[in-house]
Amino acid sequence: QAVVTQEPSLTVSPGGTVTLTCGSSTGAVTSGHYPYWFQQKPGQAPRTLIYDTDNKKSWTPARFSGSLLGGKAALTLSGAQPEDEAEYYCLLSYSGTSVFGGGTKVTVL
Amino acid sequence: EVQLVESGGGLAQPGGSLRLSCAASGFTFSSYWMHWVRQGPGKGLVWVSRISRDGGTTNYADSVKGRFTLSRDNAKNTLYLQINGLRVEDTAVYYCVAFYYDSSGRYNHDYWGQGTLVSVSS
Repeated sequence: QAVVTQEPSLTVSPGGTVTLTCGSSTGAVTSGHYPYWFQQKPGQAPRTLIYDTDNKKSWTPARFSGSLLGGKAALTLSGAQPEDEAEYYCLLSYSGTSVFGGGTKVTVL
Repeated sequence: EVQLVESGGGLAQPGGSLRLSCAASGFTFSSYWMHWVRQGPGKGLVWVSRISRDGGTTNYADSVKGRFTLSRDNAKNTLYLQINGLRVEDTAVYYCVAFYYDSSGRYNHDYWGQGTLVSVSS
């Protein structure tokens, strides 16, 4: 089974920009992995922010964007807000199974 | 109102069994692929398993293959996860997740339950 890797933690200043990445042990991440990005805050169930690489949900703030970058899936937060402090997980699909990354704890400080 | 209500969690001994249920309401259950995702205490999300709309296809993470069995009853709007051979590392909150894909197979939306806690300890 593939291993999906994310940065364990990142810190961003209020109003700043940060990019989270999501890599696969099997090689480059492509649109065929249908990358998802989920946000989870303490005590809450996760919720989808981005699907199919770069598509936003209706509730996804415009400051979040998804892309493919250097063989990885990426989630960029531009203009970070205090309420963006959370854990972020990517999810990749592999021929019937799916694998989450280990999550990135984003601190806005 | 859309609801996914998990039940069946609790304390179990290593080697034991549990059956988790997920009762769906507020949407057309039979139109959704259903997944289980788990999260150990203080740990990340782990994809566990999925089942197709008609129950004909199931997939499992390697870590649970052979021990977990996923099934559904569309008449009862209920998803089931039979867990056998419980291990300490199965301790987690188990989330039921419904995924909807459009007619071309593209993701459209998803719903998450609030989770049920499974604790495995002797």
